[in-house]
Amino acid sequence: DTEVTQTPKHLVMGMTNKKSLKCEQHMGHRAMYWYKQKAKKPPELMFVYSYEKLSINESVPSRFSPECPNSSLLNLHLHALQPEDSALYLCASSQDPAPGGANVLTFGAGSRLTVL
Amino acid sequence: GESVGLHLPTLSVQEGDNSIINCAYSNSASDYFIWYKQESGKGPQFIIDIRSNMDKRQGQRVTVLLNKTVKHLSLQIAATQPGDSAVYFCAEKWQGGKLIFGQGTELSVKP
Repeated sequence: DTEVTQTPKHLVMGMTNKKSLKCEQHMGHRAMYWYKQKAKKPPELMFVYSYEKLSINESVPSRFSPECPNSSLLNLHLHALQPEDSALYLCASSQDPAPGGANVLTFGAGSRLTVL
Repeated sequence: GESVGLHLPTLSVQEGDNSIINCAYSNSASDYFIWYKQESGKGPQFIIDIRSNMDKRQGQRVTVLLNKTVKHLSLQIAATQPGDSAVYFCAEKWQGGKLIFGQGTELSVKP
């Protein structure tokens, strides 16, 4: 299995809703990532988990809450979002983010979020 | 030709021609670089990578060139095909394993 699977593919939510995005990989990768991508823009890093521990938080607002229940799963919990949070949310995984090493990220197809 | 402005830079080429996509990276300490291809409605897909101790690497129909002096990467695609139409991003690896993406170039291949 060489895929990163993201669910749901599309999500529409109101500003008072609580929802979650889910990501799964079975490649034995030990690093997992959340990126946010707006239309016609590059992916922007949000969070990095390394060996199931949060290693990087790019000053993301607390209305986004990541969770890594085990080495294969990554969730992004959403609460009290704003319309400007509407974007494509991409999950990725890599073998090992060790300094000095290659670090090929494998991406999922993304979850397209619309906040009304 | 290539255009850069408020919108995503676009490169338009004829099918069968070679394409060259350029990227300026920001961190002189970056030690690893990747080119990704992103088609509409999909996540970025790995094309080719290069470590900072190299200046050229070749794959199937693709070549990446790295010039550390001017912090510049390029992706060359030989015999460009309609299936190559997509947005291409370079990405650089920062300390701590962060992979940071450049602005991207939209490649349009005319049949």
